[in-house]
Amino acid sequence: AQSVAQPEDQVNVAEGNPLTVKCTYSVSGNPYLFWYVQYPNRGLQFLLKYITGDNLVKGSYGFEAEFNKSQTSFHLKKPSALVSDSALYFCAVREVHGSSNTGKLIFGQGTTLQVKP
Amino acid sequence: EAGVAQSPRYKIIEKRQSVAFWCNPISGHATLYWYQQILGQGPKLLIQFQNNGVVDDSQLPKDRFSAERLKGVDSTLKIQPAKLEDSAVYLCASSLAGQGGPPLHFGNGTRLTVT
Repeated sequence: AQSVAQPEDQVNVAEGNPLTVKCTYSVSGNPYLFWYVQYPNRGLQFLLKYITGDNLVKGSYGFEAEFNKSQTSFHLKKPSALVSDSALYFCAVREVHGSSNTGKLIFGQGTTLQVKP
Repeated sequence: EAGVAQSPRYKIIEKRQSVAFWCNPISGHATLYWYQQILGQGPKLLIQFQNNGVVDDSQLPKDRFSAERLKGVDSTLKIQPAKLEDSAVYLCASSLAGQGGPPLHFGNGTRLTVT
């Protein structure tokens, strides 16, 4: 069965410093990988995804993520953190079944990012 | 484009009562999802529709939860009777049909408190 792990409940960084939010996954086939962000009392917002191709994918708000197949990881990164980046971040994986998109999207437990001025 | 609409935003009920949530997806999105997000946890898929057919309901507690998507557009999720452990945020999401990658667009959720 597919699964996602976010090993850190919280990540603290100073504004202007680089940030990394970690994610590892487990699937039996090829993964589709996603990052979402959630602000208080709001739904999740899509940040970026990896489907195939270049291992470094770029997304919204200056975020990027690196797919590493050998380490089964998909860490979220940003070169310079902003206070407004403070939020709850979720990694998610969908196991690909043929040519359909009907594979279940499984979310990690979430990591709270706190960026301090 | 208009986002995913959910109502109500908040609901407080007593255990053993019933409750219903409504979702209107983004126009043209064939796939609709209901997720349950318990405080401190990631969203858990309850049910996934493709148009008006159920694709996955393996984690839906069918003895008390039901969902329908009439005419392949709006959807309702019902709980009857509610238990204390059903307290959570219920998120509706929709996506285009397509191979694996279309991102999900989420509504703001309904926060359910069961007392």
